[in-house]
Amino acid sequence: EPEVTQTPSHQVTQMGQEVILRCVPISNHLYFYWYRQILGQKVEFLVSFYNNEISEKSEIFDDQFSVERPDGSNFTLKIRSTKLEDSAMYFCASALDGATNEKLFFGSGTQLSVL
Amino acid sequence: AQTVTQSQPEMSVQEAETVTLSCTYDTSENNYYLFWYKQPPSRQMILVIRQEAYKQQNATENRFSVNFQKAAKSFSLKISDSQLGDTAMYFCAFMKSSGSGYALNFGKGTSLLVTP
Repeated sequence: EPEVTQTPSHQVTQMGQEVILRCVPISNHLYFYWYRQILGQKVEFLVSFYNNEISEKSEIFDDQFSVERPDGSNFTLKIRSTKLEDSAMYFCASALDGATNEKLFFGSGTQLSVL
Repeated sequence: AQTVTQSQPEMSVQEAETVTLSCTYDTSENNYYLFWYKQPPSRQMILVIRQEAYKQQNATENRFSVNFQKAAKSFSLKISDSQLGDTAMYFCAFMKSSGSGYALNFGKGTSLLVTP
């Protein structure tokens, strides 16, 4: 079965540093998402991306966050200056059809620890 | 804004028994989608079942079925013949069918423990 691949699985960084979380969505998918889950809490939507632009973003996704699909296969989430409260599991997801979320697949996540 | 409420933080069931996890939601939308996701200790998010709001028939996937009550805005998950591998967090999620972002809005989850 096709899968969404996320790297690295764990990332440790110092507060104030920039981090880039990488995702390779399923090859024929058109809709891409980032979600995060702080330990013990619910999964929260960050941003959705379609046709090379952000289609929706949540209040969490402030100016410190950005997304990019630089080469048609990777989908990255950048946090410019990490804060302690950015520590969370970050999930990438992709879907063939965003309107129905049919065939929506999540990656296994990147655990980000900000020290 | 849509809210998703899972009122049972933890539940326990014996192997081979049936368990029902509750989910209610609040929305003014008429067309939308509802989902149940399973998150085992590995923290992978796995789709269990999906329901379109315009369909009256309840979705089923093998041992998993839902009771979708649109008027009551209720979407419960029934797991029949529970297996040890069903132990996980279960998240209910809502998605509007209109708009451009198609974001999933999750509940806080129910931790299910299946015991031998």
